[in-house]
Amino acid sequence: QLQVQESGPGLVKPSETLSLTCSVSGGSITNTDYYWGWFRQPPGKGLEWIAYRYSGGSTYYNPTLKSRITISVDTSRNHFSLTLTSVTAADTATYYCASGRSYNPGVRDPFDVWGQGTSVTVS
Amino acid sequence: EIVLTQSPGTLSLSPGERATLSCRASQGVYTDYLAWYQKKPGQPPKLLVFGPSTRATGVPHRFSGSGSGTDFTLTIDRLEPEDFAVYYCQQYSTTPLTFGQGTRLDI
Repeated sequence: QLQVQESGPGLVKPSETLSLTCSVSGGSITNTDYYWGWFRQPPGKGLEWIAYRYSGGSTYYNPTLKSRITISVDTSRNHFSLTLTSVTAADTATYYCASGRSYNPGVRDPFDVWGQGTSVTVS
Repeated sequence: EIVLTQSPGTLSLSPGERATLSCRASQGVYTDYLAWYQKKPGQPPKLLVFGPSTRATGVPHRFSGSGSGTDFTLTIDRLEPEDFAVYYCQQYSTTPLTFGQGTRLDI
């Protein structure tokens, strides 16, 4: 059974770079049956999509964050990572990684496997 | 960008009643790629229904989704105490993926 779990620093200073990792278990991150994403939820606010990546490499970013984010994959460790540069207090949130089923280009299910989330405070 | 507007903002009901949640898109959701998630404090979002009427694995039959194009509905029959949470609709047809602002279902 596929599972994902986030890890990260918890506290980041303003203007610094946030790096989060999503560890994948129960399946391979190179399996083209899946795609992988990042989301966040600021305290007291709604959910926001950050980015997602197909196992084949195609990556899509939220335009509001695109200039500051990078998604990378480490196949040897079976994990993928989110890097967010120049953080501000507005980046304080619980960050989630997730996975969904992908069938063909453009044919996919929504994200159905989610990590428990990791809380990040920028201060 | 597809803007999703959920109504009502808050819905106050009692166990055993039926809840009807609405999600309206600013433009047609291609291939009806619309999903509903349940969110409780301290927990990740839980996928309920998608596409827009397919229940996710393990989701009780009292949850049902309907709609097409720009208007979608999540119906919860015979509310159970554990159903009181915040519900989000999400379109996953085009980027940026977007969520509605949420409907809080209060007991």
